[in-house]
Amino acid sequence: SQTIHQWPATLVQPVGSPLSLECTVEGTSNPNLYWYRQAAGRGLQLLFYSVGIGQISSEVPQNLSASRPQDRQFILSSKKLLLSDSGFYLCAWSGGHFSGNTIYFGEGSWLTVV
Amino acid sequence: KQEVTQIPAALSVPEGENLVLNCSFTDSAIYNLQWFRQDPGKGLTSLLLIQSSQREQTSGRLNASLDKSSGRSTLYIAASQPGDSATYLCAGRGYNNNDMRFGAGTRLTVKP
Repeated sequence: SQTIHQWPATLVQPVGSPLSLECTVEGTSNPNLYWYRQAAGRGLQLLFYSVGIGQISSEVPQNLSASRPQDRQFILSSKKLLLSDSGFYLCAWSGGHFSGNTIYFGEGSWLTVV
Repeated sequence: KQEVTQIPAALSVPEGENLVLNCSFTDSAIYNLQWFRQDPGKGLTSLLLIQSSQREQTSGRLNASLDKSSGRSTLYIAASQPGDSATYLCAGRGYNNNDMRFGAGTRLTVKP
């Protein structure tokens, strides 16, 4: 069966420090991968998605970047965190756009920038 | 660009009551619509997925419907239980973008 792992679950980082959140998927190949951010009381905002290795699409201009160095690995990064980067970050995967497959989420990462 | 709205933002019901959660979307060119459950501080768990060619899906006490022409989907929960307390989110996937657009969710509280 497929599983998705996301870490760390919680982190507190000072303003200006770098960030790296990692996500890996097991039990499937060539998944579509996503990074979302969820603000309190608001829906999920898509940050990045990837349909293959090295292929990253950015939805909103921001202080963050994403990379997909391997088929089932998706990394969210920042060189210098801002206070506004605080939030709940969710990684997700699906089997492909036109397959109509369900999208599956990781457990999320709480980021607090202080 | 697809926009998804969920009303109400919060709902509180006594145990045993049947209830309906609403989801509306602006772009009827929807590929599928998915309902999720989110417990506090946790990731999302998929509940039901409705393809554009379908009108409803059922799983246990849950029934989700999709009306593309009116841009609406509903999640019906029968005989609610305290364990159903969570935030429920809907998300629509379009044909042109390889992503999903989420509503802000409805926070459900089922009182014993």
